[in-house]
Formats: sequence, C-alpha cells, structure tokens
Amino acid sequence: GENVEQHPSTLSVQEGDSAVIKCTYSDSASNYFPWYKQELGKRPQLIIDIRSNVGEKKDQRIAVTLNKTAKHFSLHITETQPEDSAVYFCAASSGNTPLVFGKGTRLSVIA
Amino acid sequence: SAVISQKPSRDICQRGTSLTIQCQVDSQVTMMFWYRQQPGQSLTLIATANQGSEATYESGFVIDKFPISRPNLTFSTLTVSNMSPEDSSIYLCSVVPGGWNTEAFFGQGTRLTVV
Repeated sequence: GENVEQHPSTLSVQEGDSAVIKCTYSDSASNYFPWYKQELGKRPQLIIDIRSNVGEKKDQRIAVTLNKTAKHFSLHITETQPEDSAVYFCAASSGNTPLVFGKGTRLSVIA
Repeated sequence: SAVISQKPSRDICQRGTSLTIQCQVDSQVTMMFWYRQQPGQSLTLIATANQGSEATYESGFVIDKFPISRPNLTFSTLTVSNMSPEDSSIYLCSVVPGGWNTEAFFGQGTRLTVV
C-alpha cells in the first residue's frame, strides 16, 4: 500500500519568511496530492491540492509542486504570518483509494 | 462541500466499556471514512463505511473492536468496544462528497480518554 513520508516534523520561521514542507510517496499509481491544515483543537481543512497531470499550482501565498518521477511533492508558503501556525499534513491517493496521510509538520511562525 | 456534525466532542470512559460516536452529514454521500488521530500524530484510517455493505477495515483494525454502522447515506456510527487506555485518541469521520480524488471534509472529532 501507499506510504507517505513528510519532513520536517517541526519548522519554525520568522514572520515574513517562507516555509517549505516536503513529502515523498511510494505508490506510483497515486495521482492526487492534497495538503491539509489543522489548527489546535480543530478539524483538518484542505488548503490546496494537486493532481498528477499538473506540476505546480498556486493560490495566493500557497503553492504546491509535484515531481512524479521522483515521487515527491512540496508545499511552499510565502510571506508567512502568525495565523499560518498550525500542523500541516500532506496526503496521497490513487483513483479509488482513501487518503494516506504523512505524519504532519508543526509550523510555528514567530512574530 | 459538506458539513459534518460529530458527537460527542469528548468523553472520559472507564476501561472495559464501549463508546459510540455518531456522524451526521448535511448531504448524501457514498463514502464515509473513520480515522484515528493519537495526540500529536497523523491521521490513521480505521475503516471505510459504505451504505448497504460491510465496512472495510484497514490492517490492524478489526470489526469486533470497532464496529461500524452505515444505515443511510447521511449517517454513520463508530463504536470503540471494550476500551483500554491505549484507545485514548481523537476519532474523526470524513466524507468526500465529490468522489475519489476530491476534497475530504472532516467532523470536528471526538476526543476520547479511557481511564
């Protein structure tokens, strides 16, 4: 089955700096790669996703890149703000399988 | 999109007892998933619950311990049976109303503490 590795487990950045979180996956059949943000005590919420026919996707300060050959994808947050502080999870799935999540990255943005 | 109401939000239970968690969705959805999230950890899939069929359990999870009901397309329950302290965790339900490879929506979670 699919295995998703996520790094780093914790990340601290100064407000205004960029943050990068990286994930690798094992199943070459995976074709959907979402990122979820989970604030303390809250439910996970989708912030961006990418499908295998696209190499990069942007939404304001958030971008995701996908390298299918290397089986890795990354989340980039620019101009970080204190409200970006949360746990971020990457995930992967193929056409008819449930999401498999990475272990999460705890991002702290220091004002 | 989907709005999920999950109950209870938290509970403290005695070991050896059972707790049933409920999820109500505001629209009909084919697939519903149950996850476990131990403190500070990732989301681990327990089972997939489809209406009209037996739930499909992931490796390490069994029906006797985590029986699931899915009586209709808007509702599901997960029971944690014969609880031990190791079952202390957050349990979340999730749906993908748009089908595979679309946004998953989560309930607010049930924080279970077994004493």
